[in-house]
Amino acid sequence: GAVVSQHPSRVICKSGTSVKIECRSLDFQATTMFWYRQFPKQSLMLMATSNEGSKATYEQGVEKDKFLINHASLTLSTLTVTSAHPEDSSFYICSAPRPASNTGELFFGEGSRLTVL
Amino acid sequence: GIQVEQSPPDLILQEGANSTLRCNFSDSVNNLQWFHQNPWGQLINLFYIPSGTKQNGRLSATTVATERYSLLYISSSQTTDSGVYFCAVGPGGGNKLTFGTGTQLKVEL
Repeated sequence: GAVVSQHPSRVICKSGTSVKIECRSLDFQATTMFWYRQFPKQSLMLMATSNEGSKATYEQGVEKDKFLINHASLTLSTLTVTSAHPEDSSFYICSAPRPASNTGELFFGEGSRLTVL
Repeated sequence: GIQVEQSPPDLILQEGANSTLRCNFSDSVNNLQWFHQNPWGQLINLFYIPSGTKQNGRLSATTVATERYSLLYISSSQTTDSGVYFCAVGPGGGNKLTFGTGTQLKVEL
């Protein structure tokens, strides 16, 4: 299957700082990537759709100025949590569609666990 | 938006037992996937199955799209099968997935 890689896998930061998470598609191009968030013992909730060369599309209730998404190339999307606070502590996971296919099968990165102190 | 409900929410099995997990969704879909989330949080793709039946080793899945449900069968369960199983649905074509509520499975010796 297609491989999606995230970095860092874990990050601990102080309240008020900003944290950047990278999502890369390995060996394939992804014009679209999706960012999800998962709180403990809950399901995954879509935060936003990252579009290469254009603005991200955010789901209702997700603050676009707090969660900055940049899809700078066909293999890289970044999520920046700005002025992080303890309530932003969560598991963030990105995904990309299977390349060269219209099925829409999505593959997910390893996830990034953010802890804000 | 589309609603995705999974049952049961929790399941405890003895090693070697079989189980069936269910996923109901509220609207027609062109993409349905089953995932296993391991203890480290990574989502492992199990099946891409918008319709029909597939099998992979001890796992198999069936989706009846006209009746808006999918089933995941686990046979001869092992402790390594423990974790959370999610189904997720979407319109297809590389579009977003909506995740179900999940089934937490624990397989005991």
